[in-house]
Amino acid sequence: KQEVTQIPAALSVPEGENLVLNCSFTDSAIYNLQWFRQDPGKGLTSLLLIQSSQREQTSGRLNASLDKSSGRSTLYIAASQPGDSATYLCAVGNTGKLIFGQGTTLQVKP
Amino acid sequence: GAVVSQHPSWVICKSGTSVKIECRSLDFQATTMFWYRQFPKQSLMLMATSNEGSKATYEQGVEKDKFLINHASLTLSTLTVTSAHPEDSSFYICSAWTSGGSYEQYFGPGTRLTVT
Repeated sequence: KQEVTQIPAALSVPEGENLVLNCSFTDSAIYNLQWFRQDPGKGLTSLLLIQSSQREQTSGRLNASLDKSSGRSTLYIAASQPGDSATYLCAVGNTGKLIFGQGTTLQVKP
Repeated sequence: GAVVSQHPSWVICKSGTSVKIECRSLDFQATTMFWYRQFPKQSLMLMATSNEGSKATYEQGVEKDKFLINHASLTLSTLTVTSAHPEDSSFYICSAWTSGGSYEQYFGPGTRLTVT
């Protein structure tokens, strides 16, 4: 059974700092991995999708990497801003089903 | 593109009544839709997978007679919470996926259900 773990559960950083969020999964037989952002009381915003054949994806200040063999993914946020404060969820996909991690709640202080 | 809507965005109902939530893919045909539930300060848990024109597949522990799912067309799936109880209060989110693509799921904005 696939299990997805995210560490840390919460993170508080000063504005401008670069940071890394971690996601690990137990079964490497995945189709893809997605990173999402969720603001309090809101739905999900898709940030990055990495296919199983890819190693990384970039969008603006965000870079996500995927190492299937070790069951790990990282989300790198450069030059963090207060507007980046949210919960970040990673989810691994197999035949369409997504299994979510518990999320990392990020607070960026001005 | 790839917009998914949900209606209503929030609903309050009395215990024992039924509530229907709609999930629509606005600009693409969704061969498969997924329903997730999210309790406060927890992550999303997949409830069921529905394919257009066939019965939904429920995850272990999800009561199929309580959470009725209908996927009657390629753009609409509905989730009906029957005989709702306060413990059913949650955030329900649907997603849609089209075959032949990248297997990326597109999520709706969610529906907040409160059962009093």
